[in-house]
Amino acid sequence: DIQMTQSPSSLSASVGDRVTITCQASHPISNFLNWYQQKPGKVPKLLIYGASNLETGVPSRFSGHGSGTDFTLTISSLQPEDFATYFCQQYDRLPLTFGGGTKVEIK
Amino acid sequence: EVQLLESGGGVVHPGGSMRLSCAASGFTFRSHAMNWVRQAPGKGLEWVSSIVASGGRTFDADSVKGRFVISRDNSQNTLDLEMNTLRADDTAVYYCVKGRYGDPKSEFDSWGLGTLVIVSS
Repeated sequence: DIQMTQSPSSLSASVGDRVTITCQASHPISNFLNWYQQKPGKVPKLLIYGASNLETGVPSRFSGHGSGTDFTLTISSLQPEDFATYFCQQYDRLPLTFGGGTKVEIK
Repeated sequence: EVQLLESGGGVVHPGGSMRLSCAASGFTFRSHAMNWVRQAPGKGLEWVSSIVASGGRTFDADSVKGRFVISRDNSQNTLDLEMNTLRADDTAVYYCVKGRYGDPKSEFDSWGLGTLVIVSS
């Protein structure tokens, strides 16, 4: 199975900050990597697919980069509505696996 | 608008069975892989099962293999998950999730609200 390791597990940041979350795959997955956002009590929402493609309707302050084993999700200027937990997920091979999540909290 | 409405959750004793259903609308159901993803209370996301668009192939996580069965009815636009020999660690919110394409190896682009399954004596 491909293990997905996210870091940090949590972070505190202020509105306007640039935030970067990393996700590392235990085996190369090309660009078969998605990012999801989950707000408290809400359903996960697809943000980025194929490592760097912005899902329709997602603000351009979100961006994804990477290929192979190392990936990043960047929020260029954190907004109040961005405080949430973010998960990466690989879909290169089954079983599909998620990272453990990164909780972005208000400083 | 895509809508995925799960039903069938509740409390069940360890060793018991439960069937979850998902009613889909707002898209061409027969063209998309469908999935179940679960989230234990306060925990992360765990892929459970997938079924290809045609229904001809299914895939399961090792943690549920031999106990859970995913199925779909493309004439009724419904997805099911039959869960048997339930254990305490199956307690979670179960999400019905639409895949972007017909193969399970694609992004999850729409999620239902989820249904809570509690396995407890």
